[in-house]
Amino acid sequence: DVKVTQSSRYLVKRTGEKVFLECVQDMDHENMFWYRQDPGLGLRLIYFSYDVKMKEKGDIPEGYSVSREKKERFSLILESASTSQTSMYLCASSFPHGTVVEQYFGPGTRLTVT
Amino acid sequence: AQSVTQLDSHVSVSEGTPVLLRCNYSSSYSPSLFWYVQHPNKGLQLLLKYTSAATLVKGINGFEAEFKKSETSFHLTKPSAHMSDAAEYFCVVTPSSNTGKLIFGQGTTLQVKP
Repeated sequence: DVKVTQSSRYLVKRTGEKVFLECVQDMDHENMFWYRQDPGLGLRLIYFSYDVKMKEKGDIPEGYSVSREKKERFSLILESASTSQTSMYLCASSFPHGTVVEQYFGPGTRLTVT
Repeated sequence: AQSVTQLDSHVSVSEGTPVLLRCNYSSSYSPSLFWYVQHPNKGLQLLLKYTSAATLVKGINGFEAEFKKSETSFHLTKPSAHMSDAAEYFCVVTPSSNTGKLIFGQGTTLQVKP
């Protein structure tokens, strides 16, 4: 079974703090993704990565950065957390695009910024 | 541009009655389509996927969906709801750029009453 793990299930941080969210997958997937999930808005893509050291902006990259130093690990960084970044964050991974590109998701990190 | 619209934000059914969750998509080519389910405090799990083979797709837990190109719809159905089906459901489409990215609908919360 594919396993995608996220470092924390719940996280509480203060405004202005630097926040790191870690994601690890064990299926040797090339692609990795970070989403945020908010009620009524579905999942919105923040950043994604096709390979080590490669990253591309998604639909809502403002206020976030990412790092991918190893194939299995993809980190989301909030440089200076704000209350508007309180959300559920989901990591996903997949093989490179082919006939069908399903993504495998981690359990999520619920981040609260106070 | 590709998009997906889930027509109901909330659906309530009684246990043992049929489930219908509606999804319309917009695509300029033949898309791949998915339904994902998210149980409370869990990550997303793939229910089923359409990949231009059979238009009626069977998934896990008795769910199925029918791809109707003429109606640009991919509605999710189940003949008889169980209490364990209570969750949030997302209809998802692949964009034309075939980058491995997914476009998510806003989600439908399914409530199952005893």
